[in-house]
Amino acid sequence: NAGVTQTPKFQVLKTGQSMTLQCAQDMNHEYMSWYRQDPGMGLRLIHYSVGAGITDQGEVPNGYNVSRSTTEDFPLRLLSAAPSQTSVYFCASRFAASIGFYEQYFGPGTRLTVT
Amino acid sequence: AQTVTQSQPEMSVQEAETVTLSCTYDTSENNYYLFWYKQPPSRQMILVIRQEAYKQQNATENRFSVNFQKAAKSFSLKISDSQLGDTAMYFCAFMNTEQGAQKLVFGQGTRLTINP
Repeated sequence: NAGVTQTPKFQVLKTGQSMTLQCAQDMNHEYMSWYRQDPGMGLRLIHYSVGAGITDQGEVPNGYNVSRSTTEDFPLRLLSAAPSQTSVYFCASRFAASIGFYEQYFGPGTRLTVT
Repeated sequence: AQTVTQSQPEMSVQEAETVTLSCTYDTSENNYYLFWYKQPPSRQMILVIRQEAYKQQNATENRFSVNFQKAAKSFSLKISDSQLGDTAMYFCAFMNTEQGAQKLVFGQGTRLTINP
């Protein structure tokens, strides 16, 4: 199993540009989520999905869109990049119920810089 | 809303010493899980240990153990016989398992350095 994969690993955007961060998992996990990590603030939840076709907002959703058309993929879209979105982004997945004791598996992260 | 607080931004100990990282949380729920994640310089998030709130016995994984005090809402991580490879950011995290989407809430992290 590849686990949770993310592309790209690094990205530099100009203010106002749009892009999509890709996330895929091959563990048949129902639950997928996106976090951003900023210095001194831990990981904060952006959006999450409990299954294909179902998404919801987390703690810091503004400026981001998500969709979940398949169990495997959960892309994160930046609509119009702003310097405040400079961060490290993590995708994670897990089984929806107590199977696996709620262990969340993380991707390797994407470092995004917006100039 | 649940909150998780790690009051030690940085810690530093000598190799082979024992170190304890603190974590407190705030919740009105009765059923939940608590986790400690390790993030080395590679940036990968690695699960270190987990604790189910309904279990009174403290979880242990080799050199890692927790002190779970449910009434005090405290969940500290003890690393025994610390090794250079333990150098990393450590995050405490909380998940409510009673209802809703069971989201994972993280603390701010503690940067741990093990010195040779």
